[in-house]
Amino acid sequence: AQKVTQAQTEISVVEKEDVTLDCVYETRDTTYYLFWYKQPPSGELVFLIRRNSFDEQNEISGRYSWNFQKSTSSFNFTITASQVVDSAVYFCALSAEYGNKLVFGAGTILRVKS
Amino acid sequence: DADVTQTPRNRITKTGKRIMLECSQTKGHDRMYWYRQDPGLGLRLIYYSFDVKDINKGEISDGYSVSRQAQAKFSLSLESAIPNQTALYFCATSDLSWGTETQYFGPGTRLLVL
Repeated sequence: AQKVTQAQTEISVVEKEDVTLDCVYETRDTTYYLFWYKQPPSGELVFLIRRNSFDEQNEISGRYSWNFQKSTSSFNFTITASQVVDSAVYFCALSAEYGNKLVFGAGTILRVKS
Repeated sequence: DADVTQTPRNRITKTGKRIMLECSQTKGHDRMYWYRQDPGLGLRLIYYSFDVKDINKGEISDGYSVSRQAQAKFSLSLESAIPNQTALYFCATSDLSWGTETQYFGPGTRLLVL
């Protein structure tokens, strides 16, 4: 069975601080895909990134970076120099190769205070 | 215009009533999904459809039914609403490519069952 754990229920930081959101996953598949989605206060779900299990290169997109480590089954998300607009719920999710189901973590609420 | 739209965006209904939530997409994707989001539980899959003739149950299908009227339309019905179906409902679409897919979500429908 597949499972995604986001142990941090809520994180509060002050603007310009760096923050890392943790994601630990479980799967028996050798090929799988990991995702991060952002849910701002307006409620919609915004796709941020997809990572394949056979590609462990870290990725950076502006202030966002992702650290994928198969050895620890983790796919952590770091926001550098956080801003108030980063305040949202962030979900990590997992799907199998040719899979049709996204398994979501419970989400981490990020509050960035000015 | 948004690629994935959901109507209504908000709905209040009473226990025992039948209601329908609708989803339309202009992305040309074959696959469509319905999820519900509850606080602390992330998103859970209710039903999914890979094409017009294909309907599959997800993790929590009891009390729900769906209809895939066309490639672009996927409706979710609550035959007899109950209070624990109060939640935020999301429709998503995806297109399988290179062995996997990225799901894109609609804006969500907030449902309150009294």
